[in-house]
Amino acid sequence: QLALTQSPSASASLGASVKLTCTLSSGHSNYAIAWHQQLPEKGPRFLMYLNSDGSHNKGDGIPDRFSGSSSGAERYLTISSLQSEDEADYFCQTWITGIQVFGGGTKLTVL
Amino acid sequence: EVQLLESGGGLVQPGGSLRLSCAASGFTFSSNAMSWVRQAPGKGLEWVSAISRSGYSTYYAESVKGRFTISRDISKNTLYLQMDSLRADDTAVYYCGRSPDFDWLDYWGQGTLVTVSS
Repeated sequence: QLALTQSPSASASLGASVKLTCTLSSGHSNYAIAWHQQLPEKGPRFLMYLNSDGSHNKGDGIPDRFSGSSSGAERYLTISSLQSEDEADYFCQTWITGIQVFGGGTKLTVL
Repeated sequence: EVQLLESGGGLVQPGGSLRLSCAASGFTFSSNAMSWVRQAPGKGLEWVSAISRSGYSTYYAESVKGRFTISRDISKNTLYLQMDSLRADDTAVYYCGRSPDFDWLDYWGQGTLVTVSS
């Protein structure tokens, strides 16, 4: 069954970089995903679409500090030069035949 | 500028009904599939339902199948979610989202809160 796994929490210092992971379920390692950011008390915002080969397309206005990469069944979101406004929940999403699947989300704390 | 604006949320008793709307602007509404996604208080995102560009194909999460109906009115640039037989565990913020074609959601609305309680 198609599923996405994310660590519940992550933390990194202001100005540092952080790499968030989203893992696809067995047998689905070639699936593309999308990353979304949800600031506190706000609706989600699309960050990027990420292919299995690591190529990615970002949403409108997403800073260069946000990038994506892939390795096997893992999909990564790297945020460099962390800023306080990056403190948010980050969700990955994938899809199959009309059905969309979300990971549980990672809460990022900027120290 | 792409905008999605949900409305219709509120407090409803268990077993009751509610219809959510999502007004779309800034893009050709008939060119995109659309979805509803919900988020229970303090929880993650849960996909609810999706509809094709034409409206002929629809999909539902098992948790809402038979109780919720998704539809769209292209003449009004509006997406709907008819919710019947509501239960306490349907309490959530409901978001509408746009996708190129049943894939990633590239724009989201701000959400509307549905509370099911007696």
